[in-house]
Amino acid sequence: ETGVTQTPRHLVMGMTNKKSLKCEQHLGHNAMYWYKQSAKKPLELMFVYNFKEQTENNSVPSRFSPECPNSSHLFLHLHTLQPEDSALYLCASSPAGRGNTEAFFGQGTRLTVV
Amino acid sequence: RKEVEQDPGPFNVPEGATVAFNCTYSNSASQSFFWYRQDCRKEPKLLMSVYSSGNEDGRFTAQLNRASQYISLLIRDSKLSDSATYLCVVIYGGSQGNLIFGKGTKLSVKP
Repeated sequence: ETGVTQTPRHLVMGMTNKKSLKCEQHLGHNAMYWYKQSAKKPLELMFVYNFKEQTENNSVPSRFSPECPNSSHLFLHLHTLQPEDSALYLCASSPAGRGNTEAFFGQGTRLTVV
Repeated sequence: RKEVEQDPGPFNVPEGATVAFNCTYSNSASQSFFWYRQDCRKEPKLLMSVYSSGNEDGRFTAQLNRASQYISLLIRDSKLSDSATYLCVVIYGGSQGNLIFGKGTKLSVKP
């Protein structure tokens, strides 16, 4: 059982819809991440939050909007997505700071944009 | 520019075989290194960390060559359950320590 929980597990949405992905961790970590995994591509880092502050926005289009209300919760708000945004979206958390830190992943939300 | 590059897969090997995966990274300021394993349609999970002195965990051995910016993973006596995608992961970026993933190498162990 993972310490990082993502909901929903599957999501189908139209290009004009607005939806949100949710991630929750109770591991006491202070860093949380959104990754995108598309077929035949490496995991792409999208956003990083450390102690609720966004510290990385990896040139992600504005149709993806993250929100981190506290160290345990992370959201990804989606609007006017494109079919090429269909992918597995993975949330991860880790202890913040330098060094040898393992990241724990949620099971992901498989998103299909139609 | 690819930051973390891995052997192209897939690797198809018989049970009991020894298989080696290689990975190179482009950022010389990289601080920490890992191998993750991802099963089909599952999330990645840490397999092992990689240290400059090399480290071994049962049938798995990981090595790091900082001068060549090269990481390897050796699996001895392959089992069917080793079938998965193996992801090379590098951390760099100061105090934030963002994880950067390679594309992964798929391993299929056949009976």
